[in-house]
Amino acid sequence: DAGVIQSPRHEVTEMGQEVTLRCKPISGHNSLFWYRQTMMRGLELLIYFNNNVPIDDSGMPEDRFSAKMPNASFSTLKIQPSEPRDSAVYFCASSSGAGITTDTQYFGPGTRLTVL
Amino acid sequence: GIQVEQSPPDLILQEGANSTLRCNFSDSVNNLQWFHQNPWGQLINLFYIPSGTKQNGRLSATTVATERYSLLYISSSQTTDSGVYFCAVNPYGGATNKLIFGTGTLLAVQP
Repeated sequence: DAGVIQSPRHEVTEMGQEVTLRCKPISGHNSLFWYRQTMMRGLELLIYFNNNVPIDDSGMPEDRFSAKMPNASFSTLKIQPSEPRDSAVYFCASSSGAGITTDTQYFGPGTRLTVL
Repeated sequence: GIQVEQSPPDLILQEGANSTLRCNFSDSVNNLQWFHQNPWGQLINLFYIPSGTKQNGRLSATTVATERYSLLYISSSQTTDSGVYFCAVNPYGGATNKLIFGTGTLLAVQP
């Protein structure tokens, strides 16, 4: 298996622009997670889907962030409008099973976002 | 919420040395994973270990759930072991598979 695939790997944009990050989970996994990593806050969960349905979005920082999972093999995280403080590495992870608390999560390579 | 503390915060080793990394958590957990983030930023799953002991080559991990800590052992360290090691937990009774990450241990292995 190719593992979790994320695109783009690097994104540089200007403040106010829309940014869309993409993720393809491991085939057969039905839980998908979006994390953000910054020096100040470390790794934090933004949102998590189970069977394409958002289960916990309590980590989404504000309304400028939105995430979708239209099918089992694709998810997007959108920031509109982007701000410099959104600069971070965004990771997507997936796990098998029913998204229960004992599943192992596998991470993608991340997207490094820089907002100027 | 649950607190996850890792120690030491950073560590420098000579190649070939052994080390022990510690993860303390403030509440019971369903899920505990150790990850290695390599210098290129990739997060690699090392162990899923909510309790007991596991070994994988030069790495092993032990979690004592009743005492709320986990240890990661690295033996005969190599320069490729350099990076940040994270412990992540899901609190017991948590309704969702939400991993809470510790602040990590930065390991540098020198040749």
